[in-house]
Amino acid sequence: NAGVTQTPKFRVLKTGQSMTLLCAQDMNHEYMYWYRQDPGMGLRLIHYSVGEGTTAKGEVPDGYNVSRLKKQNFLLGLESAAPSQTSVYFCASSYGTGGYNSPLHFGNGTRLTVT
Amino acid sequence: GQQVMQIPQYQHVQEGEDFTTYCNSSTTLSNIQWYKQRPGGHPVFLIQLVKSGEVKKQKRLTFQFGEAKKNSSLHITATQTTDVGTYFCAGLAGYALNFGKGTSLLVTP
Repeated sequence: NAGVTQTPKFRVLKTGQSMTLLCAQDMNHEYMYWYRQDPGMGLRLIHYSVGEGTTAKGEVPDGYNVSRLKKQNFLLGLESAAPSQTSVYFCASSYGTGGYNSPLHFGNGTRLTVT
Repeated sequence: GQQVMQIPQYQHVQEGEDFTTYCNSSTTLSNIQWYKQRPGGHPVFLIQLVKSGEVKKQKRLTFQFGEAKKNSSLHITATQTTDVGTYFCAGLAGYALNFGKGTSLLVTP
């Protein structure tokens, strides 16, 4: 099993450009999450989904949009990139709500730089 | 909202020394999870604690959950260079995990 796959691995954008980060999981997990990781800030939740067709805002949702059209995929979009969105983005999935007997499985991350 | 705090932020030890990181939540937790992230890698699940006062061991790692279920600790006995990385605790906030900022451990041979 591949687990959680993120594409691309690296990307450089100019301010104002848009892009979509792709996340795919082959574990039939219901829950999927997008986190961003910045030095000294830990992992901060951007958006999450509790099932196909659902999305919800996390701690830092501004400037991002998400979609979960298929259970196995969770897309993160940046409509107009800003330098403050330079970060490492991690997608994760879990069988149930990420709290009880349901650890998160993370992808390898996408390193995004906005100039 | 719930806040999860970890101390210290960084720890540098000589190989063979012990290491402890502490996690404190502003609210009572239903459970707590610990993850390890190697440099350049992604977080990997280590363990989950559920019961008040629970203690679990994984080889040289000892995890504790406080009696009030608001704090937890991870203790590593006799560190090795393979222990290098950032250790995160995380507690459930709604439907998702809320992570602490992590403790970065550096082990010098």
